[in-house]
Amino acid sequence: QKEVEQNSGPLSVPEGAIASLNCTYSDRGSQSFFWYRQYSGKSPELIMFIYSNGDKEDGRFTAQLNKASQYVSLLIRDSQPSDSATYLCAVSRSNDYKLSFGAGTTVTVRA
Amino acid sequence: DVKVTQSSRYLVKRTGEKVFLECVQDMDHENMFWYRQDPGLGLRLIYFSYDVKMKEKGDIPEGYSVSREKKERFSLILESASTNQTSMYLCASSLYRGSDYGYTFGSGTRLTVV
Repeated sequence: QKEVEQNSGPLSVPEGAIASLNCTYSDRGSQSFFWYRQYSGKSPELIMFIYSNGDKEDGRFTAQLNKASQYVSLLIRDSQPSDSATYLCAVSRSNDYKLSFGAGTTVTVRA
Repeated sequence: DVKVTQSSRYLVKRTGEKVFLECVQDMDHENMFWYRQDPGLGLRLIYFSYDVKMKEKGDIPEGYSVSREKKERFSLILESASTNQTSMYLCASSLYRGSDYGYTFGSGTRLTVV
């Protein structure tokens, strides 16, 4: 079982719709959770992090964490063509130097 | 903003060559990391360093070594390049532990071994 699992996609959504990305993790000791966005040919950039159960909103992005279910998700509201990218989920244990990454979900927003 | 600079965007090397990938960060970060990224496999940690001259193996260190002689520079070395080391290599750095605020990545080096 992979440590961090994501649906590979591609996930295709119409412009203006909500894109929902899911991530599950196997290590119950995981305490920090991150979402990175990676455009084709570019490096990952951090867009959200969440530590506590519940929702965290930042603009059009909402991260949701459920530690009991070992599940973290990212919602992108009012999706724009510029949101077309691969989204990487990363997790870390408390006080750990390292992040473990999922393989990423590719999102395509069609105009 | 933190800048993490990787010296080459694209490299083509021959099998058996010794290859050096360089990474420099300009924000006095303690921690630096080397990952490789392959389709379907995601990012896999090769090595990381939490201090000058300190290094720790990641998940896939075989065939690689690293050097950190100065705080701002972290080098990845392929002792004898092989075709299965063809990949995108990403350097990252962080001031705090990764669990605190994540990393900042460099622009990546796409290495092809022929």
